[in-house]
Amino acid sequence: NAGVTQTPKFQVLKTGQSMTLQCAQDMNHEYMSWYRQDPGMGLRLIHYSVGAGITDQGEVPNGYNVSRSTTEDFPLRLLSAAPSQTSVYFCASSWDRRETQYFGPGTRLLVL
Amino acid sequence: KQEVTQIPAALSVPEGENLVLNCSFTDSAIYNLQWFRQDPGKGLTSLLLIQSSQREQTSGRLNASLDKSSGRSTLYIAASQPGDSATYLCAVPSTNKLIFGTGTLLAVQP
Repeated sequence: NAGVTQTPKFQVLKTGQSMTLQCAQDMNHEYMSWYRQDPGMGLRLIHYSVGAGITDQGEVPNGYNVSRSTTEDFPLRLLSAAPSQTSVYFCASSWDRRETQYFGPGTRLLVL
Repeated sequence: KQEVTQIPAALSVPEGENLVLNCSFTDSAIYNLQWFRQDPGKGLTSLLLIQSSQREQTSGRLNASLDKSSGRSTLYIAASQPGDSATYLCAVPSTNKLIFGTGTLLAVQP
């Protein structure tokens, strides 16, 4: 099993550009989530999904969109990138939101 | 509101030492507690998950304990190695997310 994969590993954007961070898992997990990690702020939940077709907002959802058309994939879209979105983004999956979470390797995003 | 803290924030030990990392939480009504490690520039790796009904969970040189009544968990690392150097995070599930501790940066000196 590949586990949780994320692409790209690193991305530089200009303010106002849009992009999609990809996340895929091959463990047939229902629960998937996106976190951002910033120095001094820890990990903060952006969006999560409890199954295909079901998504909800986390604590910092503004500026981000998600969809879940399949069990395997959970892309995160930045609609109009801002410097404040410079961060490391992690995708995670699990059988249930309360069970062992498996994290991807992360995407480092720099917005200029 | 659940708050999770970890002490110490940083720890440096010589190779071979046994060590203990601490995690405290304010609301004892937890479902479970998970310990992760994070290497620099990498994602989080799950180490152990200890259910609320358990007192201990072991994996190799790692042993996690849980005392819900006192709001504490400890991660014991036996015979530390330089490869154990990383940031260690504890986390408890909340309504829709994991609440992470502040982390302990561990350096094991050869």
